[in-house]
Amino acid sequence: DAGITQSPRHKVTETGTPVTLRCHQTENHRYMYWYRQDPGHGLRLIHYSYGVKDTDKGEVSDGYSVSRSKTEDFLLTLESATSSQTSVYFCAISAGLTETQYFGPGTRLLVL
Amino acid sequence: DQQVKQNSPSLSVQEGRISILNCDYTNSMFDYFLWYKKYPAEGPTFLISISSIKDKNEDGRFTVFLNKSAKHLSLHIVPSQPGDSAVYFCAASRMNYGGATNKLIFGTGTLLAVQP
Repeated sequence: DAGITQSPRHKVTETGTPVTLRCHQTENHRYMYWYRQDPGHGLRLIHYSYGVKDTDKGEVSDGYSVSRSKTEDFLLTLESATSSQTSVYFCAISAGLTETQYFGPGTRLLVL
Repeated sequence: DQQVKQNSPSLSVQEGRISILNCDYTNSMFDYFLWYKKYPAEGPTFLISISSIKDKNEDGRFTVFLNKSAKHLSLHIVPSQPGDSAVYFCAASRMNYGGATNKLIFGTGTLLAVQP
């Protein structure tokens, strides 16, 4: 299994509060991704990173920001959480542009 | 607009029989396709992939077939085992479009239940 951890694994928060999810990898892979999984939508890309300090938007990036200050860590921040951001969030990594993506265990977020 | 579709939300199969999971796509620019398996409370795990230059790829009990003219791919599991019970996602990407990353577009998933 790829060395990917996500923290926290579960979180309950209130509408309007900031939330930060962390993805940590031990594989030294260049590419990191954040997805959300919702019923009826599969997994959708939020943001991705192609190197330290290099990030770009995915298909559902509104309301989210990311940062990557080290190769091993990719942070996803909800600046002001809304109920529509209740979801399961997955981090993924890949070694190269055309390499397979490997996923972390997920973070279940509930916004009340 | 769902570019990758899995029209069967669920499938039930007897142990030892063949499981066939289907996936359709609309974007003819997709040139790389993958299947992931997901157990509850875990992340998706990569299962098998196929490039658009092939029409079949096999790995043990798992075979993926690609029909480019129909924009259709399928995953065959033979023989099916109870441990195969999981949600299966197909995903597609444009590997050779020259962009900065391999962006995967996922289907909505099919829940496979293999009955003992």
